[in-house]
Amino acid sequence: DIQMTQSPSTLSASVGDRVTITCRASQSISDWLAWYQQKPGKAPKVLIYKTSTLDSGVPSRFSGSGSGTEFTLTISSLQPDDFATYYCHHYRGYSPTFGRGTKVEVK
Amino acid sequence: EVQLVESGGVVVRPGGSLRLSCAASGFAFDDYTMHWVRQAPGKNLEWVSLIGWDGGNTYYADSVKGRFTISRDNSKSSLFLQMNSLRPEDTAFYYCAKDLNSLTIFGVPYQWGQGTLVTVSS
Repeated sequence: DIQMTQSPSTLSASVGDRVTITCRASQSISDWLAWYQQKPGKAPKVLIYKTSTLDSGVPSRFSGSGSGTEFTLTISSLQPDDFATYYCHHYRGYSPTFGRGTKVEVK
Repeated sequence: EVQLVESGGVVVRPGGSLRLSCAASGFAFDDYTMHWVRQAPGKNLEWVSLIGWDGGNTYYADSVKGRFTISRDNSKSSLFLQMNSLRPEDTAFYYCAKDLNSLTIFGVPYQWGQGTLVTVSS
């Protein structure tokens, strides 16, 4: 099975900061990667799929990049609503896998 | 508007069985792959299972293979998860999710329900 290693597990940042979260796959997954945002007590929400396609309504400060085994989620200027936990997700293949999450907290 | 409502979560003893349901509305249910994803309280997400739009393709995480069975009733726009031989480590919120694209097997779990809590404890 493909393993997804997400880092960091926790990230302390301030409003206006540029934030980058990394996800590494144990083998090539082409561009079959999605990013989710989850807030406490809520279901996850898709931000990006197919590595870099922004879902409808997602602010343009979010972007995704990468291919093969290394992927990044970037928030260009962190906003108050962005403090949450973020998960990467490899969704192609017989055993889809989530990363272990990155909690973005107030510095 | 897409709506997914899970039900069936309760407290069950180790070794017991449970059937979760997910009632779907607001979209052509029989055109979409459906997923179950779980999350232990305070922990990360774990993909559990998926079923193709016509029920002909099913896949499971290794952690539940042989114990859980996913099924669907397209005539009632309903998704199910039969859970047998339950273990304490199966304790989690269970979410059903609709795939992003129609007629795609391995796609993005896109729209999610609110989840139902399964607790396995003696």
